[in-house]
Order: sequence, then structure tokens, then C-alpha cells
Amino acid sequence: DSGVTQTPKHLITATGQRVTLRCSPRSGDLSVYWYQQSLDQGLQFLIQYYNGEERAKGNILERFSAQQFPDLHSELNLSSLELGDSALYFCASSVFDGGGPGDTQYFGPGTRLTVL
Amino acid sequence: GENVEQHPSTLSVQEGDSAVIKCTYSDSASNYFPWYKQELGKRPQLIIDIRSNVGEKKDQRIAVTLNKTAKHFSLHITETQPEDSAVYFCAARDNQGGKLIFGQGTELSVKP
Repeated sequence: DSGVTQTPKHLITATGQRVTLRCSPRSGDLSVYWYQQSLDQGLQFLIQYYNGEERAKGNILERFSAQQFPDLHSELNLSSLELGDSALYFCASSVFDGGGPGDTQYFGPGTRLTVL
Repeated sequence: GENVEQHPSTLSVQEGDSAVIKCTYSDSASNYFPWYKQELGKRPQLIIDIRSNVGEKKDQRIAVTLNKTAKHFSLHITETQPEDSAVYFCAARDNQGGKLIFGQGTELSVKP
């Protein structure tokens, strides 16, 4: 157990819908990262938040957004869902902003999203 | 943009043999290179990492080497066991935040 929690474990929804994925980082970690894992794209970085502020952005679609709250948990919002959004969504956390020594990223168990 | 290439995509070895997985990266600013092991349906788990000021690091049966000039790093697993069977991902991170760029993964199968 990495100490990073994600809910829900599984999510099945229809095209056009909107969902929210939740992540709680390890105690004391200030950074939260979101990654998408699909069969054809591998593990892709989406976005990073550090202490409530957006820190880095990957190829995140405009239909996707995220935020980090004062208690440091994060939510990833996916809207106007398409079949191709079906994937495993992982959250990871690290102590600091991720750029320094010792800033290992620990992954949560993931949320499996299925869009029908 | 940044890119990490990983080879081979699949690797099958006999129990007790060694396994080597290789990665190359494109961003010369990358300074941290972790390796993650992912079992089917599970989360990626860090197994070893190396920083750009070190050429080699070893942890029991696992070792990683880094050649900064060639922008190349490799994972070596010795005395493989069936429980080593999983997908292994290499990654590179630069010093501008924590964004990890992952390789495409190597599915390692260790046959008893």
C-alpha cells in the first residue's frame, strides 16, 4: 500500500457524461499528479498540482480539468466523455514539487473508467 | 517534445537467467530516472531509481546503469524468478517540476 488513495475503483458511464475522480495523497505530500494509462498510449502525464497550485501540464484535453483543495486532495473532472476516454487513471503524490532529489512519486491504485 | 523509447516490448527468460531492459531519452535536462513494475491491474510500483550524478545503482538482484552522454539507461535483473513477471516501465523527469515521461513498457515473462 503506497498510502495514496483513489475513489472510485471502477466507474462505468455513457458517452457525453461527466465524472469526477478523487485522489488523496500520502500524508505530508504536497504534490499530486494525474496520469492516464490506456492500451495504445501507455502511461501519459496529464497534470500536476503542488500545494494547491497548478505546477505542470501535459497533453490534457480541454474537456478534462483538475484541482487540488486546501486539504491537498485532488479531483480530476472528465466531461463530454468519449469512448476513447476509457482508461485507467492513476494519481501519484510526492513530498515536494517533484523536481528535487528524493521526490519519489508514489502511485495510487487507480480508477478504471469505462465509457459505453 | 520529451520522449522516452523503451526496448524490448516483450521479454521472455528462463528462471535464473538475467533480463535487461533498455531506454533512451531525448531531453538532455532530464536528471532523474525511475523504474516502475506494474502487475496486471495494479498500480505502478517504484523498484529502483537513479539520478544524473550517478552512473550505476544496485539493490539486491536489480541494478540500473545510466550513460548521460548517450542519453541511455538500462535495468538489469539477475537470477530472475517467476514473481518478477510483470510490465516494467522506465521514465525520465526533468528539473522543471515532477512530470514523468514514461517508456512504452516491457512485458517480462519468467518461465519456471
